[in-house]
Amino acid sequence: QKEVEQDPGPLSVPEGAIVSLNCTYSNSAFQYFMWYRQYSRKGPELLMYTYSSGNKEDGRFTAQVDKSSKYISLFIRDSQPSDSATYLCAMSLNSGYSTLTFGKGTMLLVSP
Amino acid sequence: DAMVIQNPRYQVTQFGKPVTLSCSQTLNHNVMYWYQQKSSQAPKLLFHYYDKDFNNEADTPDNFQSRRPNTSFCFLDIRSPGLGDAAMYLCATSRVRTGPTDTQYFGPGTRLTVL
Repeated sequence: QKEVEQDPGPLSVPEGAIVSLNCTYSNSAFQYFMWYRQYSRKGPELLMYTYSSGNKEDGRFTAQVDKSSKYISLFIRDSQPSDSATYLCAMSLNSGYSTLTFGKGTMLLVSP
Repeated sequence: DAMVIQNPRYQVTQFGKPVTLSCSQTLNHNVMYWYQQKSSQAPKLLFHYYDKDFNNEADTPDNFQSRRPNTSFCFLDIRSPGLGDAAMYLCATSRVRTGPTDTQYFGPGTRLTVL
């Protein structure tokens, strides 16, 4: 079993749809959870950062962590064509100086 | 704006010809990381520097070396690139753990092509 599992997609949705992206993981010691957005041929850009279980909202984006199920989600409301990108989940044992374990990324395509 | 800068953005080299990729940061972060990312794969950590202390991942090939002459700059040297080394190379930085909001910040990447 891989440490972090993420469906590679592509996930195709129409503009305005609510998008749900998910990752599961096996190491219960992970405490910090991140979502990075990566446009084609660019570096990953930090989108959301959460600690332990719970929800965090930032504009159209909501990150959810359920440590009991080892499951994290990213919701995008009112999706836009500019949201078309690959979304990588990442997690670590500690904040700051710590190895990040990434999922392979889910490609999202939002059509106008 | 404070940021992580990588040069060049695109690099073409020949099989076996040494190549150097550079990364600079204005974030004044202690830690700098180099990742390799192949198409549709997760970034793979090659090594990182905590200040001047070099930390190599166990499975990083000897063909890959790194230098960090000062806090702001870090270089990735590929001594004899093979076709399998064609990838996006990502530089990232972070502070040492200081609180629950610190994580890694990535540069735009250098896409390496090996002919």
